[in-house]
Amino acid sequence: DIQMTQSPSTLSASVGDRVTITCRASQNIGSWVAWYQQKPGKAPKLLIYKASTLQSGVPSTFSGSESGTEFTLTISSLQPDDFATYYCLQYNSYSPGGFTFGPGTKVDIK
Amino acid sequence: QVQLQESGPGLVKPSETLSLTCTVSGDSVGGAGHYWNWIRQPPGKGLEWIGYIYYSGTTNYNPSLKSRLTTSIDTSKNQYSLKLSSVTTADTAVYYCARGGTLSGLDVWGQGTTVTVSS
Repeated sequence: DIQMTQSPSTLSASVGDRVTITCRASQNIGSWVAWYQQKPGKAPKLLIYKASTLQSGVPSTFSGSESGTEFTLTISSLQPDDFATYYCLQYNSYSPGGFTFGPGTKVDIK
Repeated sequence: QVQLQESGPGLVKPSETLSLTCTVSGDSVGGAGHYWNWIRQPPGKGLEWIGYIYYSGTTNYNPSLKSRLTTSIDTSKNQYSLKLSSVTTADTAVYYCARGGTLSGLDVWGQGTTVTVSS
């Protein structure tokens, strides 16, 4: 099964900061990674798919990139609405064991 | 606008079967373009993918749940369902249904429904 490690688990930041969250896959999954934002009591919201494609309606302060099996979510200038928990998801349909979420990164106020 | 809505009992006894239904509006579960997923989130923990079903009946399940899991799709009602047998307190979670796209991953989610396993 493919494992997704995510770092950091918690991140303290201020409004205006540049924030980077990383997920690493245990094996090659191509570009089949999505990023989600989740706020307490709410369903996750899709931000980025296929590693770097911005979902419609998502601010351009969010971006995704990849290098081999390492995937990065960047928030270029953290806004008050961005304090939340972020998850990566590998959705390579050929992966044994199906899809896998990373353990999550909580972004809170410094 | 595509919407998904989970429904089912909020309380299930240990060793019994958890049954949930996801009703889809704005899209057809009988179409070839998407696959239909279940995800859960135990209290205070992260997201766990449970599995998906395709319109053809093809399924893909999390290996850790596969032996207890059954999913089905009802195109006449535009719904799909999950049954998880022999539940324990470890199955207590918010259960989400979500639409999946080949390119876009899980792009539309239901609001989630809380299921508690307790006697």
